[in-house]
Amino acid sequence: GAGVSQSPSNKVTEKGKDVELRCDPISGHTALYWYRQSLGQGLEFLIYFQGNSAPDKSGLPSDRFSAERTGGSVSTLTIQRTQQEDSAVYLCASSYSHEQYFGPGTRLTVT
Amino acid sequence: EDKVVQSPLSLVVHEGDTVTLNCSYEVTNFRSLLWYKQEKKAPTFLFMLTSSGIEKKSGRLSSILDKKELFSILNITATQTGDSAIYLCVELGNQFYFGTGTSLTVIP
Repeated sequence: GAGVSQSPSNKVTEKGKDVELRCDPISGHTALYWYRQSLGQGLEFLIYFQGNSAPDKSGLPSDRFSAERTGGSVSTLTIQRTQQEDSAVYLCASSYSHEQYFGPGTRLTVT
Repeated sequence: EDKVVQSPLSLVVHEGDTVTLNCSYEVTNFRSLLWYKQEKKAPTFLFMLTSSGIEKKSGRLSSILDKKELFSILNITATQTGDSAIYLCVELGNQFYFGTGTSLTVIP
């Protein structure tokens, strides 16, 4: 069946511009995670959605980052006024229990 | 299609037991294999393996990679309740490929 999809697969943007990254989780998965992997850095948790509960935003690095999940399905991660240090692969994962199914990621490059 | 498969999906053991977590992969252009421990939501880096047959150790944890048979194992000896977590295997090829994780529960 269809896995987690993310779009775009690659995004190049100029410093200061806003970007939106999209995640389509596996249908029926109640939990959705956003992570990022930067060059030379490990996997960094950003935000977690579980059902209708308030999201856990504890991993968001600054108030330029926000995410929403509409209708308990598709999620959008928005980065405002992008900085060069935002360059990374942004990964989305969804799960029903503990197994996480990761999408292919969006590679964001801020020039 | 490149993929990473972890087994078992979940495991419950008693404190003091030794566990072995498995990760097999099928990838093109293999570069490295990484293990993470995920408690609550934030993953913690454990090991990065690039060479076959060389064991990496950190306290009670150790890991080894077999590039011929395309798998890695993560061993935890004398398990403690604090080892309870999800253990993620990630392979870096042309991009990152993630396993679905093994959920380990250590009961007192």
